[in-house]
Amino acid sequence: QQQVKQSPQSLIVQKGGISIINCAYENTAFDYFPWYQQFPGKGPALLIAIRPDVSEKKEGRFTISFNKSAKQFSLHIMDSQPGDSATYFCAAMDSNYQLIWGAGTKLIIKP
Amino acid sequence: KAGVTQTPRYLIKTRGQQVTLSCSPISGHRSVSWYQQTPGQGLQFLFEYFSETQRNKGNFPGRFSGRQFSNSRSEMNVSTLELGDSALYLCASSLVLASDTGELFFGEGSRLTVL
Repeated sequence: QQQVKQSPQSLIVQKGGISIINCAYENTAFDYFPWYQQFPGKGPALLIAIRPDVSEKKEGRFTISFNKSAKQFSLHIMDSQPGDSATYFCAAMDSNYQLIWGAGTKLIIKP
Repeated sequence: KAGVTQTPRYLIKTRGQQVTLSCSPISGHRSVSWYQQTPGQGLQFLFEYFSETQRNKGNFPGRFSGRQFSNSRSEMNVSTLELGDSALYLCASSLVLASDTGELFFGEGSRLTVL
């Protein structure tokens, strides 16, 4: 069964702290792993993405760590800011080029 | 450059009715995908259209249908509405097939409430 399991469901982090969101998958055919950020009342927007040939990708304060053998990938937000408060979705692209989405993590950064 | 535009933004229907949602992609984008978003379920893929052809379809019943016009605008239709169809319906466009780049540009969604 194609699934992407995302955790935690919600997360509260102090300003300046590190936010970590995890995703796990089962299908080894997945070959593209994006993270999307969604603010209330808006559609999701691509934040950062990785392919399985690299173990880490960093863009500013956002880093994806990818563990192919464990079939897990995670999003790290360094120096978290109140403006980062949003819902984050991980996803994985299957062999039919369909994105399979995690259930989302609601992140709240406390000032 | 204008983003993805979805209409209507909000609508209320009763069980058994049908509904049509519209999506105008970013200018020049040829692919349009539709998703259903419900609390706790994330985004569920409905279908993707490219050059007026359905290229991919998710696991939804036949009550859910869509089409794409020659100007890349897309509509989705849900017939015989059920209470469980209440959701935010998101449209996303991409320059080419979503499979080629993986980057989707989402609209703000149409929030459907079925009573």
